[in-house]
Amino acid sequence: QSVLTQPPSVSGAPGQSLTISCTGSNSNVGGGYDVHWYQQLPGTAPKLLIHGNNKRPSGVPDRFSGSKSYTSASLAITGLQAEDEADYFCQSYDTSLSAWVFGGGTKLTV
Amino acid sequence: EVQLVESGGGLVQPGGSLRLSCTPSGLIVSNTYMTWVRQAPGKGLEWVSLIYSGGTTQYADSVKDRFTISRDTSKNALYLQMSSLRADDTAVYYCAKVRDYGGRGYWYFDLWGRGTLVTVSS
Repeated sequence: QSVLTQPPSVSGAPGQSLTISCTGSNSNVGGGYDVHWYQQLPGTAPKLLIHGNNKRPSGVPDRFSGSKSYTSASLAITGLQAEDEADYFCQSYDTSLSAWVFGGGTKLTV
Repeated sequence: EVQLVESGGGLVQPGGSLRLSCTPSGLIVSNTYMTWVRQAPGKGLEWVSLIYSGGTTQYADSVKDRFTISRDTSKNALYLQMSSLRADDTAVYYCAKVRDYGGRGYWYFDLWGRGTLVTVSS
């Protein structure tokens, strides 16, 4: 069981929008720690997608956005494209574990 | 362009040892916070270990007392020495650069290598 909870899978048609949730607890997300998101395309290494809850690194399309509220965070994707098919992972820090923690990952099917 | 390249993975018997290496180009390991993250086949990501630029180390409970993270400044390389390996250590091991700002509760991993596969099996 992952410390951060994500839905195992989501799907949407090209052009549609969707969100992926990431639920934690008071020892991580709810404790004020940032949430970051990674995209892992099939057969490749993870890539940073969103950092600091809602900041996009250079080169990440503005179709991707992040938000955080209390013990949960969300990744929103608008204008879905076939190339967005990937696994998405959230990450934060857990003060009880003294460890950086990940969600179990969400497989996006377009 | 900054890149990270892992090596050293392979097949090892339960109870055995293995040392992984991570060789960066375009960054100096001793000046950078670095981490190892692993991914079991078909599973999610699991943080393994982290080394601060000052040399302080941290480990996940699952690998504490079995794995050691270190670096060699003369070779500009990061290592993960793994011992007492178990079947559940089977995974692709990624090294990653840590973007450190504020406290450790805000850190994230902004550059990843392609990973090296470790298989623990008899």
